[in-house]
Formats: sequence, C-alpha cells, structure tokens
Amino acid sequence: EDQVTQSPEALRLQEGESSSLNCSYTVSGLRGLFWYRQDPGKGPEFLFTLYSAGEEKEKERLKATLTKKESFLHITAPKPEDSATYLCAVRRIPNSGGSNYKLTFGKGTLLTVNP
Amino acid sequence: GAGVSQSPSNKVTEKGKDVELRCDPISGHTALYWYRQSLGQGLEFLIYFQGNSAPDKSGLPSDRFSAERTGGSVSTLTIQRTQQEDSAVYLCASSQQGSLGSQHFGDGTRLSIL
Repeated sequence: EDQVTQSPEALRLQEGESSSLNCSYTVSGLRGLFWYRQDPGKGPEFLFTLYSAGEEKEKERLKATLTKKESFLHITAPKPEDSATYLCAVRRIPNSGGSNYKLTFGKGTLLTVNP
Repeated sequence: GAGVSQSPSNKVTEKGKDVELRCDPISGHTALYWYRQSLGQGLEFLIYFQGNSAPDKSGLPSDRFSAERTGGSVSTLTIQRTQQEDSAVYLCASSQQGSLGSQHFGDGTRLSIL
C-alpha cells in the first residue's frame, strides 16, 4: 500500500525566515509526486509535479525537490500570504498493481508565517 | 467558470437521509475524481471516471455510496442512508488525461450529518 508521511505537522515561521517541509513516500513505482496548497475552506491548489529523482521545480518563493524516498518543499523568505496547509501526494505507475489513477495524500503541513 | 464547480457548498442533513453531491469539471477534462477529506485525515480517494465509465471504484467505503457521470461532464455522488461517520468534505477533481494530467480540485461540499 502506498504511504505518504509529511513533517512537521505544523510549522511557524517569521516573515523572511526560510525553511523546508518534508514529504517521505513509499510506492511500488512512482509515476509522479505532487505538491498542493490548501487554504481554509478551499480545495487543494496545484503547485508542482515531480517525476524523477533529481528533478526540481520552482514557483516564486517555493522550490520542490525529489529524491527516491522523499521530497522537500523549500520556502525562501516567506510572506504571511504563504500561510496555508501544504499537501504532498503520489501516483503510482500503471501495471504496478493497485490503482494507478488515484492520488495518495499525506496529512499535510500547516504553515503559519507571522509578519 | 474556469475551475471545477461543486454544489452545494454546504449540506446539513439528518442521519438516515439520502444526499446527492454535484461536480461540474473543467471543460474538456475527460478524467474526474471524487475524494473525501475528514477532520485530521488526509484526502481519501473514492472513485475515478474516464468519460462516463468508472474503471476504479476501489475507494467507495460501502455500498451506500455510488456515483455516476453523464455526457462526459457533470458527476453526482450519492450517499444513501447517511451515517454520522459520513460527515466530511467531499472534493471533486478533474484532469485532462486519465493517468498523466495534474488533478485540479473544486472547493468541495462540506457534509454534516446530524
């Protein structure tokens, strides 16, 4: 069974204080690793897809990296508007057994950035 | 609209009643997914549609849950004889291709069973 573990569960930062969120995963064959942002009362908002170890993607103050066992979401000089829950999810490759359509999500990291 | 639309945004009902939740995906997206998000839990996959057919129903928790999709567009998730443990946010997502495209989510229906 695919597993995704995110840490920490919650993180408080001061504005401008850079940090990283961790996503550890176990999947028989990785098709893609996805990062989403979720604001209270809203659905998850797509951020990045990473497909292979060594890949990196950037968007504004966010950079996602991937290894064979985990992914990191680096937040550089965060602002209060970056406060949200960040979700990590994996999708397995076809013909690896089990469903390859669904995303398996972690429980998320609640990020709070104080001004 | 440009995004995934879900209705109602909130639903409160009594235990034992049936409920229908609606999802209108992004235009042109052939794949549609239903997930459930319970307090303190991660998103839990329920069912996947490619066009009007559902090749993966593995996440439906019981036979009280069913879903259909018509015209390759709108989908409804039906919960019969609701129980208190069905209380959750039900999220719908759509993507351009079944197994390759990134999934884009609606804002969900918050279901409360009294």
